[in-house]
Amino acid sequence: GAGVSQTPSNKVTEKGKYVELRCDPISGHTALYWYRQSLGQGPEFLIYFQGTGAADDSGLPNDRFFAVRPEGSVSTLKIQRTERGDSAVYLCASSLGSSRGEQFFGPGTRLTVL
Amino acid sequence: EDQVTQSPEALRLQEGESSSLNCSYTVSGLRGLFWYRQDPGKGPEFLFTLYSAGEEKEKERLKATLTKKESFLHITAPKPEDSATYLCAVRAGANSKLTFGKGITLSVRP
Repeated sequence: GAGVSQTPSNKVTEKGKYVELRCDPISGHTALYWYRQSLGQGPEFLIYFQGTGAADDSGLPNDRFFAVRPEGSVSTLKIQRTERGDSAVYLCASSLGSSRGEQFFGPGTRLTVL
Repeated sequence: EDQVTQSPEALRLQEGESSSLNCSYTVSGLRGLFWYRQDPGKGPEFLFTLYSAGEEKEKERLKATLTKKESFLHITAPKPEDSATYLCAVRAGANSKLTFGKGITLSVRP
């Protein structure tokens, strides 16, 4: 079946602009995760959804970052007033459940803030 | 705070030269240790989950093992197509998130 998909694959924006990154999880997966990966580092957790609600948003770096999952499927990560330090690959993952399920990752969105 | 340390940072092998990648972890209440493979420009690809000390899992030339403090990813007779970054991650306590190490970049020369 289809894996996790993310759009766009690449996004270049200017400092101060607003961006939205989209994630379409594997069908039937109730848990959805956002991570951020900088060059030479492992992915870092941002936020986790179980169904429509954000169950853990402890990884969001500040209030410029926000994510939604209104119907319990597709999720959008929103970044306001982008800064150069926000440049990274943003990864989305989904799993069947939150307790023991393996997380399957999408290809990522490479965000570049000029 | 959960911590994951992977070593070495990079490893260069000759085709057929077996070796091991190390993942050391410090967590409170391990609920799974995960190995992923990541190719350049791609998202991490799931390989294995280990849940308890003594557990082992195998897939083709890869074998993952787990103790109470570390995990090893053994690569037997590697091929150039095994070249990639290998990521280790843990899930612990009441958390559902994964905490990753920095990864080990493996290069296999023909």
